[in-house]
Parts: sequence; C-alpha cells; structure tokens
Amino acid sequence: SQQGEEDPQALSIQEGENATMNCSYKTSINNLQWYRQNSGRGLVHLILIRSNEREKHSGRLRVTLDTSKKSSSLLITASRAADTASYFCATDPNFGNEKLTFGTGTRLTIIP
Amino acid sequence: GAGVSQTPSNKVTEKGKYVELRCDPISGHTALYWYRQSLGQGPEFLIYFQGTGAADDSGLPNDRFFAVRPEGSVSTLKIQRTERGDSAVYLCASSLTLTGNLNTEAFFGQGTRLTVV
Repeated sequence: SQQGEEDPQALSIQEGENATMNCSYKTSINNLQWYRQNSGRGLVHLILIRSNEREKHSGRLRVTLDTSKKSSSLLITASRAADTASYFCATDPNFGNEKLTFGTGTRLTIIP
Repeated sequence: GAGVSQTPSNKVTEKGKYVELRCDPISGHTALYWYRQSLGQGPEFLIYFQGTGAADDSGLPNDRFFAVRPEGSVSTLKIQRTERGDSAVYLCASSLTLTGNLNTEAFFGQGTRLTVV
C-alpha cells in the first residue's frame, strides 16, 4: 500500500515558472526522499531530508519537511522542459524497517 | 558496473508461465531492493536483501513470488504461475547500506516491464 500521497496528481506550467509539489505521509519517518521518474522507468534520486531537518536545497530544488503535519514539499525553480517527469516522495520509517514507501506521484509537464 | 542493471528490459509471457528477472547491483553495494510499479502508481516494496539474506520479504504478494541473492551481488526475482495481475514494471535498487542508515541513497535500475498475456 502507498504511504502517502502527492498533491497535485498532475501539474502543467510554463517553462521558467516555479513548480511546487506536496507530499503527505502517515507514519513516523527517519527521512524523506524525492525521486524523479521519466517515462515510467528508472527512478532518479533527487534529494534526501532527515526527520530533524526542516529545509534543504540542491541546485534548483528546495525541499521542506514538516514532521508535525507529516508533509513535505518540493519546489523546482526556473523550470525547464527537461523537468517534465513524474515526481515521487518516499519515506523511510524509523522502526528499523529500511524499506522505502512511495507516494502516488505528481506528473509534472513543463510547457515550452 | 556504472549503475544498476536489470535484464530483460521487457518480458512478455503467457499466463501460467514461470519468469525470472535479473538485477545486477552497483559493485560493492550490500543492500538490494525489489519494487513493483503498476501503471499510474508509485513503486511498492517487495523485498530487500542485506548481503545474501532476505532481511524483509513482507512485500511479496504471495508464495508465487520468490527472490534470491546467493552470492550477495546479483539477485533474481522469480515468479511462478504468472497471472495477468502480475503485469507491472519491476524495479531493482541498490545502496551501500540500508537506506535508513547514514542517509545512504538508493540507486534504481531502469526496470523490467513484465506483461502477462
């Protein structure tokens, strides 16, 4: 079963605009990760944020984490056509169980 | 190798047949994971290995599914008596250690698209 959900399910924006995707989850976590997937195949790791961190940056990516609300957001600034993909959050629980639990994904389309 | 390699990339099989899906992890990665992704869904955990042993196989849907990693490197996911509902992309990932330890990133392969007809 899916741990959480991304919101929105689909997002279309103009190239150059910022894209924000949200993720909600249900159980306590050790860390939360964001992945990108092109064409329904391999997943590419984007960024990991620990449960004791609130914000993290990597290039044009900014991730926030609010453990009290069990939610995270991914912001992609100055979007490019190449950012078109599906984005998933994945949580890593803190009960000694190391498997990742993925959300349902946001399909992002950048319009040139 | 340079990344996680999965073979075959596509597999079409008839209902009731047996299939094997192979995963070659990144050299030196001790942790290996299998996930299954149905159309329009996020990946769902099946099983993970730490070394040769299956540390958690709680995601395997039933006893038709089995995975091995005999030498702690290559892993094979085996599906017996395939059903149409088994059609999905099967993803393999590996990491230096378990993902919850020291912020270790999991690297995914391109997946095997299994179609049961």
